[in-house]
Amino acid sequence: GESVGLHLPTLSVQEGDNSIINCAYSNSASDYFIWYKQESGKGPQFIIDIRSNMDKRQGQRVTVLLNKTVKHLSLQIAATQPGDSAVYFCAENNRDDKIIFGKGTRLHILP
Amino acid sequence: SAVISQKPSRDICQRGTSLTIQCQVDSQVTMMFWYRQQPGQSLTLIATANQGSEATYESGFVIDKFPISRPNLTFSTLTVSNMSPEDSSIYLCSVKKGRGTEAFFGQGTRLTVV
Repeated sequence: GESVGLHLPTLSVQEGDNSIINCAYSNSASDYFIWYKQESGKGPQFIIDIRSNMDKRQGQRVTVLLNKTVKHLSLQIAATQPGDSAVYFCAENNRDDKIIFGKGTRLHILP
Repeated sequence: SAVISQKPSRDICQRGTSLTIQCQVDSQVTMMFWYRQQPGQSLTLIATANQGSEATYESGFVIDKFPISRPNLTFSTLTVSNMSPEDSSIYLCSVKKGRGTEAFFGQGTRLTVV
């Protein structure tokens, strides 16, 4: 079957530090992965994506790393800010072109 | 990107009744989906809304409980039928503009069944 899961349900990070959110996936046939951010009362918001032919992709303050050998995905947020407080989901675009979500990690920013 | 409007944004309904949620997109899209997000949980895909044909349901979801319409490329509805308190969730509409692209989401409809 296919599943996307996360290692930690809650992550607390000091403001200004870097955050690293991890995700494991099981479907080796997946070729496209997405990170979403969901703030309270809102729908998920696209952050960054990566295709399986890449190992790393950078955006503004965010970096996604993909390790296909161990089926692991991570999201790095540089210089974490209070506005980064949210739940973060990794998601997989499966072979039917549907987005399947992992469990989610709540990022809590410490002052 | 795509701007997605969902109506209603929230509702409180009596058990045994039905609620229809509307999803309107500001541009034509290839694919439309409906998700459910139970309190404190992740998003679970309910079904793919197909234009001009019956929706494609995921395991655990059936048409009698969640009938879906998609009359054109910018609009879809999801009905939650014969509601029970277990149906209390956020229901989200999502769209994709092409294969292998990211999905965009509406703000969701927060449903409480009493």
